[in-house]
Amino acid sequence: QVQLVQSGSELKKPGASVKVSCKASGYTFTSYAMNWVRQAPGQGLEWMGWINTNTGNPTYAQGFTGRFVFSLDTSVSTAYLQISSLKAEDTAVYYCARDRQWLARVPRSAFDIWGQGTMVTVSS
Amino acid sequence: EIVLTQSPGTLSLSPGERATLSCRASQSVSSSYLAWYQQKPGQAPRLLIYGASSRATGIPDRFSGSGSGTDFTLTISRLEPEDFAVYYCQQYGSSPPQITFGQGTRLEIK
Repeated sequence: QVQLVQSGSELKKPGASVKVSCKASGYTFTSYAMNWVRQAPGQGLEWMGWINTNTGNPTYAQGFTGRFVFSLDTSVSTAYLQISSLKAEDTAVYYCARDRQWLARVPRSAFDIWGQGTMVTVSS
Repeated sequence: EIVLTQSPGTLSLSPGERATLSCRASQSVSSSYLAWYQQKPGQAPRLLIYGASSRATGIPDRFSGSGSGTDFTLTISRLEPEDFAVYYCQQYGSSPPQITFGQGTRLEIK
C-alpha cells in the first residue's frame, strides 16, 4: 500500500544538525512532490516547503530558508529534511506529506499521504 | 500570505449531533484550493476534503465541505465517537505558492 515511513525520534544539542528521512513505497516516488510540515508541541501545522521529486527543485516557505535543506535519493525513494544550527525552538514533530497532484510543478495541492512524524527535541 | 481563521476554537457536541466548523480566509482563495484535515492525538493529519468540497479516498459521506472565496465550512452530519479530534483547514491557492493552515478547531465530546 501507499505509505511514507519516517526515521525515528532524535535528541540533539543546540547547534547540532539533524537529518530526517522519509521513505516512500507503493507508488512511483518521482511522480509526486513531497512536502514538509512542522508541528511544535501543542501547536498547529506549519508548512515548511516542498521538493519536486522529479527535478529535485525545492521551494522553501517563509521562515524556513537558510538552516533547512530538502533533498532526495530517488534510488531508494527517500526524501530528507536536514536542519542545521539547531535551536530549542526547532523542537517539534516533523512530517513529510505527499502532494496529491501528479507531476505538480508548483505547490498547489492538498496532501494525501502523510508520514507518521519524527519528533526532534533540541535540548542541552 | 493568506491567513486562515477557524471558528470556534473548541466545539463541544454529543455523538449523533451535527457539527459545523468554519474557516475564513483573509483574502479570496483561488479556485477553491481549500482542504480539511483531521488529526487525532499522537497521529499524523488525515486528508478529508480537497478542492473545498471533494471527499478524499475512503472518507465517509457524513463529512462534507462547502464554500468559496473567503468562507468555507466543514460539516459532519452525524458525529461518530471516532470523529472527536482536531480539524485544520489549509489553503494552497496563493501565488507565489505559500501554503497556510488554520489554527485548528478542537471537536470534543460533550
